[in-house]
Amino acid sequence: GQNIDQPTEMTATEGAIVQINCTYQTSGFNGLFWYQQHAGEAPTFLSYNVLDGLEEKGRFSSFLSRSKGYSYLLLKELQMKDSASYLCAVRDGPGGFKTIFGAGTRLFVKA
Amino acid sequence: DGGITQSPKYLFRKEGQNVTLSCEQNLNHDAMYWYRQDPGQGLRLIYYSQIVNDFQKGDIAEGYSVSREKKESFPLTVTSAQKNPTAFYLCASSINLAASYEQYFGPGTRLTVT
Repeated sequence: GQNIDQPTEMTATEGAIVQINCTYQTSGFNGLFWYQQHAGEAPTFLSYNVLDGLEEKGRFSSFLSRSKGYSYLLLKELQMKDSASYLCAVRDGPGGFKTIFGAGTRLFVKA
Repeated sequence: DGGITQSPKYLFRKEGQNVTLSCEQNLNHDAMYWYRQDPGQGLRLIYYSQIVNDFQKGDIAEGYSVSREKKESFPLTVTSAQKNPTAFYLCASSINLAASYEQYFGPGTRLTVT
């Protein structure tokens, strides 16, 4: 079956680093991505990994291990505005486009 | 400014009524999508369209219908056949299906059916 697992909630302190993990089991794989979604708003695209390794983009980094079916999103120098849900999603493959979303991890950043 | 608009933001309907949610984009994107989001669950694909006058069922199409008469517009009708229609509905678009890894989402419509 198709399954994406990520923790339901996490809490971290302003200025700290937090790692949000995601494991997936899908029939195919054509890339993994992360979206940020503030409460009641639309998701916004953060990152895309199709090859193993770390992709860095400012304060945000995303890692992928295809052999382990595992990814993480790393947020550095946390700010209060980073309080949001973070959605892990996998695109089915090969050559597929259908996106399977995880339920999201709600991150609370405290002062 | 390019983007996706959905209206209205909040919608209330009585059970048994059909309701149409609008989605418009001026990004010149070929592909458009409709998702449903429920508390504690990931986004689930209802319908998608890769080009004008073409659309395909997603994972949970029952009780919904769509049309794609114009590139910019992809309205979703929630019919009375949908057993549990109360949800947050999100419309998205991407340059094409191959670029579905980067979807641009509208602000969403929260539908409540009583």
